Amino acid sequence: QQQVKQSPQSLIVQKGGIPIINCAYENTAFDYFPWYQQFPGKGPALLIAIRPDVSEKKEGRFTISFNKSAKQFSLHIMDSQPGDSATYFCAAKKTDKLIFGTGTRLQVFP
Amino acid sequence: DAGITQSPRHKVTETGTPVTLRCHQTENHRYMYWYRQDPGHGLRLIHYSYGVKDTDKGEVSDGYSVSRSKTEDFLLTLESATSSQTSVYFCAISLSRTADTQYFGPGTRLTVL
Repeated sequence: QQQVKQSPQSLIVQKGGIPIINCAYENTAFDYFPWYQQFPGKGPALLIAIRPDVSEKKEGRFTISFNKSAKQFSLHIMDSQPGDSATYFCAAKKTDKLIFGTGTRLQVFP
Repeated sequence: DAGITQSPRHKVTETGTPVTLRCHQTENHRYMYWYRQDPGHGLRLIHYSYGVKDTDKGEVSDGYSVSRSKTEDFLLTLESATSSQTSVYFCAISLSRTADTQYFGPGTRLTVL
């Protein structure tokens, strides 16, 4: 049973495009929603995160949009660059545990 | 990788053999986690620890055991490795129960033949 559902599985965009990755959750007890970025051969690293009392958070070219009533949140990458090519994981936190989505492999071509 | 090392980084072993993976941190964080990463499954929690000798099961704990005798070390043991345990294993640390961020180590790629 996947508590956090992530889509799409893979995404290919050209440089300058705006890839969007979506996640949905069921458990209303989740209180923190991070996105992690992972490059090949490395561990995941926190990219940006949001709490459910905020509808949007922006850090540089990365934006999280959060819809509490729909129990959905998404990551937008503005002006995407080839260096953004990585796997992205959404997650949701409940007490001391993170539940991860299945990941989205993003490729940005020049 | 936030002062986290994992050893070994790569290991190939045979079915039925015991395997121990080590996670070492220099951050003095209280919480430590073991995850496995598989295509199509993302990261799944195996076991975690909230202090020395305090551990609990995660989502996919069958076939795994853990130990934490010192704050800085968290060991993951596969008592009798199976091919289904072929995976990339990540250790993560978190400052406290209420801390939001988990910091991940570089991972161990384990192949069970």
